[in-house]
Amino acid sequence: EAGVTQFPSHSVIEKGQTVTLRCDPISGHDNLYWYRRVMGKEIKFLLHFVKESKQDESGMPNNRFLAERTGGTYSTLKVQPAELEDSGVYFCASSQAHPMRPRGSPLHFGNGTRLTVT
Amino acid sequence: RKEVEQDPGPFNVPEGATVAFNCTYSNSASQSFFWYRQDCRKEPKLLMSVYSSGNEDGRFTAQLNRASQYISLLIRDSKLSDSATYLCVAYNYGQNFVFGPGTRLSVLP
Repeated sequence: EAGVTQFPSHSVIEKGQTVTLRCDPISGHDNLYWYRRVMGKEIKFLLHFVKESKQDESGMPNNRFLAERTGGTYSTLKVQPAELEDSGVYFCASSQAHPMRPRGSPLHFGNGTRLTVT
Repeated sequence: RKEVEQDPGPFNVPEGATVAFNCTYSNSASQSFFWYRQDCRKEPKLLMSVYSSGNEDGRFTAQLNRASQYISLLIRDSKLSDSATYLCVAYNYGQNFVFGPGTRLSVLP
C-alpha cells in the first residue's frame, strides 16, 4: 500500500510569499492531520480532517494558514503571506479509523515538507 | 508545563545495553499511547502502541501506569540501528495526538 505522500519535500520562499503544501493520505484513511515541527521544539498539532470536514483546527497558528481537503482525498495547506517564524517541517499524517477506537488508530506520517522562509 | 514530557536525553549507550525511556502525561483523560521513532530528518514512524497490560515486541517492551500517568519504553540488546529519537505520544479524544519532545538515543559500537 502506498504511504502518505507530501509535496514538495523542500520549499524555500521569501517572507511575504505564498506557499502551498500538499498531502495525499493513505487510500481509505478518513482522518488526515497536519503537524509542524519548528527547530528545537516538539511536533505540534495544527489541524484534523475527517473526510472533507475540519474536525479540529485549534492548532492553526493564525489566519495566514488555510487548509482544505476537497472531496475528502488529498489536502492542501497554504501559508499566505509567509513569515520567518513559519519555517519548520510540516508533517501530514493519516489514520484509518475513528480515533475513538479503544486502542486508537496510530498515525502514519508522510516524509514532511521542510519549509524555509527567508 | 508540557502535556507530555520525556527524559531530556541524549542517551549514549554501548551496543548490547538495555536502555529505558520514561514519559509522563498531564492530561488524565488521555486514552491511547504510542511510541514513535524518528530518524534524523525523517518522519516519525510508529514503533508500538502501548496497552494498559503492557506489551512486548521483540526487544521492545512498553508499559503504562495510568495511576501515575507514566509510560515507559525498554529496549534490550541495543543495536546500532536503534539510534534515533523516541517520541512518546498521547491521544485524547477532542485534543488529538500530543507529542512529547522526544529523547535521542545513540547506540555506540
